[in-house]
Amino acid sequence: GAGVSQSPSNKVTEKGKDVELRCDPISGHTALYWYRQSLGQGLEFLIYFQGNSAPDKSGLPSDRFSAERTGGSVSTLTIQRTQQEDSAVYLCASSYTSGRASNIQYFGAGTRLSVL
Amino acid sequence: RKEVEQDPGPFNVPEGATVAFNCTYSNSASQSFFWYRQDCRKEPKLLMSVYSSGNEDGRFTAQLNRASQYISLLIRDSKLSDSATYLCVVSGGSQGNLIFGKGTKLSVKP
Repeated sequence: GAGVSQSPSNKVTEKGKDVELRCDPISGHTALYWYRQSLGQGLEFLIYFQGNSAPDKSGLPSDRFSAERTGGSVSTLTIQRTQQEDSAVYLCASSYTSGRASNIQYFGAGTRLSVL
Repeated sequence: RKEVEQDPGPFNVPEGATVAFNCTYSNSASQSFFWYRQDCRKEPKLLMSVYSSGNEDGRFTAQLNRASQYISLLIRDSKLSDSATYLCVVSGGSQGNLIFGKGTKLSVKP
């Protein structure tokens, strides 16, 4: 079946503009995660959605970052007033949270954000 | 102590070599353990789950030592295509239920 889909694959924006990144998880996966990865660095956790529970926002680096997950499926990560240090690859992952395959996260190809 | 620690490498090995990666984790309550692989400029992909009894998948063997909170990955008969960064992943963290190590970079040379 289809994997995790992210759009756009690349985004170039000017400092100070707002951007929206989209993630469409694997059908049936109840958990959705956003990570950020700067060049040559490890994964930085941003936010985690689990079903209808309140999201775990503990990884968001500032109040310029927010995310929504509508209808328990598609998620949008919004970065307001982008800064050059926001330039990174933004990765989305989804997983089951019960059963044999629980906890295994499947990643999308990411959105490469460049802030000029 | 970091939640998941790995030697960043790089490990530079010739084709055919055997190479071992180690990982330690801090949360003794962790229940799920994985190795992921990330190729350059690509997303991470699951390589294998790690079970208490140890498990093998072809040239890859994973071991878990709960008492020492230690996970290992052994790659035998290395191929050029094994060149990648290997991420140790542990459950039970406070953030998003999986904690990713920063990865160990492997480069297999002809």
